[in-house]
Amino acid sequence: DSGVTQTPKHLITATGQRVTLRCSPRSGDLSVYWYQQSLDQGLQFLIQYYNGEERAKGNILERFSAQQFPDLHSELNLSSLELGDSALYFCASSEGGGWNTGELFFGEGSRLTVL
Amino acid sequence: ELKVEQNPLFLSMQEGKNYTIYCNYSTTSDRLYWYRQDPGKSLESLFVLLSNGAVKQEGRLMASLDTKARLSTLHITAAVHDLSATYFCAVDDFGNEKLTFGTGTRLTIIP
Repeated sequence: DSGVTQTPKHLITATGQRVTLRCSPRSGDLSVYWYQQSLDQGLQFLIQYYNGEERAKGNILERFSAQQFPDLHSELNLSSLELGDSALYFCASSEGGGWNTGELFFGEGSRLTVL
Repeated sequence: ELKVEQNPLFLSMQEGKNYTIYCNYSTTSDRLYWYRQDPGKSLESLFVLLSNGAVKQEGRLMASLDTKARLSTLHITAAVHDLSATYFCAVDDFGNEKLTFGTGTRLTIIP
């Protein structure tokens, strides 16, 4: 158990809908990362937050947004869903705060299926 | 932009044999991580390599880092079925506050 909690574990929805994925980092970690894993794209970095502030952005679609709240949990919002958004979405956390990312600890993932 | 390449992408090997997975990256970094992923599961941290020449071993797995060559290796000794999984290397993208992952190597150990 990494200490990172993600909900829901599985989600099935229809095209055009909106979903929210939630992540609670390990106790003491200030940085939260979101990654998307699909069969043909591997692990793609989406976005990173440190202590409530966005610090790094990857290949995140405009239809997707995220935030980190004062209690350090994070939410990833996916809207106007398309079939191609079906993937495993991972949240990871680290202590953060330095130039180096450091070791990431991953949650169990949220498997999104868009029909 | 940092690129991380692993090879091979797929590896099928017999129990008891040795093999090496290679991870090459394109820009300067002295921090590299290896993760294991079982099908449909989370990523489990295996090794943290924090300097040139770093070598870490755990059981039948040994990882090393050569920052000058921008190369890390994951060596498997006398493979057993339990090692079947996908292995990812990830490079610390210095200053960009993220890890960039390799494509992964899907390892299958055949009895």
